[in-house]
Amino acid sequence: QKEVEQNSGPLSVPEGAIASLNCTYSDRGSQSFFWYRQYSGKSPELIMFIYSNGDKEDGRFTAQLNKASQYVSLLIRDSQPSDSATYLCAVNPGTGNQFYFGTGTSLTVIP
Amino acid sequence: DAGVIQSPRHEVTEMGQEVTLRCKPISGHDYLFWYRQTMMRGLELLIYFNNNVPIDDSGMPEDRFSAKMPNASFSTLKIQPSEPRDSAVYFCASSFGGNEQFFGPGTRLTVL
Repeated sequence: QKEVEQNSGPLSVPEGAIASLNCTYSDRGSQSFFWYRQYSGKSPELIMFIYSNGDKEDGRFTAQLNKASQYVSLLIRDSQPSDSATYLCAVNPGTGNQFYFGTGTSLTVIP
Repeated sequence: DAGVIQSPRHEVTEMGQEVTLRCKPISGHDYLFWYRQTMMRGLELLIYFNNNVPIDDSGMPEDRFSAKMPNASFSTLKIQPSEPRDSAVYFCASSFGGNEQFFGPGTRLTVL
């Protein structure tokens, strides 16, 4: 069983819509959760992290964490074509400091 | 401030040759990670260091791969001998206290 699961997509949304990206993880003791954005041919770029249950908002981005359901999501409001990228979910299980990455969800925002 | 620096950015070599990838972490960061990314397998952790000491190398695929961190500002990942299946993008990342990781631009390796 993979540590971190993401729907690979592709996910397409129209410009201005809300994009919802989801991630589940297997280790119930996981402590911290991260979302990275990766443009084609570029390196992953950290956009959000969340440690506690609930929502965390940063501009157009909202991360949501539900530890009971082992579920973390990223919402992108007012999606822009520049948001088109692959979004990687990463989980720190808390035993050691390595991250486990999902395989990423490809998002396309259609103008 | 400079981010994570990697060199070379692109490397093309022939099967059997030795390849050395280099990384300079962000100053002050105490963790350094080496990853490999392919379309088939996604982003895989190869090895990570804490305060220059290797902590977990269970992701290193074979004895052909080795990594060193002689000081806080430099690390190498070496493949000897290289094989076509090693072709991938290799990323170095660093963090402070094991928190958010910041990635370098990557080295695109092609083994012919």
